Amino acid sequence: EAGVAQSPRYKIIEKRQSVAFWCNPISGHATLYWYQQILGQGPKLLIQFQNNGVVDDSQLPKDRFSAERLKGVDSTLKIQPAKLEDSAVYLCASSLIREPYEQYFGPGTRLTVT
Amino acid sequence: KNEVEQSPQNLTAQEGEFITINCSYSVGISALHWLQQHPGGGIVSLFMLSSGKKKHGRLIATINIQEKHSSLHITASHPRDSAVYICAPRGSNYKLTFGKGTLLTVNP
Repeated sequence: EAGVAQSPRYKIIEKRQSVAFWCNPISGHATLYWYQQILGQGPKLLIQFQNNGVVDDSQLPKDRFSAERLKGVDSTLKIQPAKLEDSAVYLCASSLIREPYEQYFGPGTRLTVT
Repeated sequence: KNEVEQSPQNLTAQEGEFITINCSYSVGISALHWLQQHPGGGIVSLFMLSSGKKKHGRLIATINIQEKHSSLHITASHPRDSAVYICAPRGSNYKLTFGKGTLLTVNP
């Protein structure tokens, strides 16, 4: 079974530029999560989708971050414009909507904003 | 006070040593994950448990729901075990709360 796929793996941009990340969850996983992990900290949930609907985006900085999951499968997370403090690893995870609800994580995208 | 406290924050061991990482949490949970993160970012789920004890190879995880405490043990540690280990309790809403992680370095 293929795992959660993310691209790109690394991205370096200048502040005020835009960037987009892509995630393909495990086949059949209806729930998809985007996390932000700043160096030295645990991941922080940015947004949770169930199919193509948003379940929780309470910690998403909506003035600059946006995410979509139009067909209930792949998802993109966008930052526009980027700030220095957005430098982090962006993790995508997916899970079933039934027991055991275990989350499976992708390899992450390491973003550096200069 | 953080909802999830891990100890120690950093741990250096010699190959072959027995390792214990502790996790205390203050929220009610439905389960708890132990996760492993290598340099480069990707996270691998080691265990998800809601009671008692689970064992997988050289890894053992225990949880005491009443005490709100979990431990991850590594027997016969190896340099390839070097990574960050993260405790992540799962609330009744199925959301994870993450600890800051324990950086384990196992020297040959």
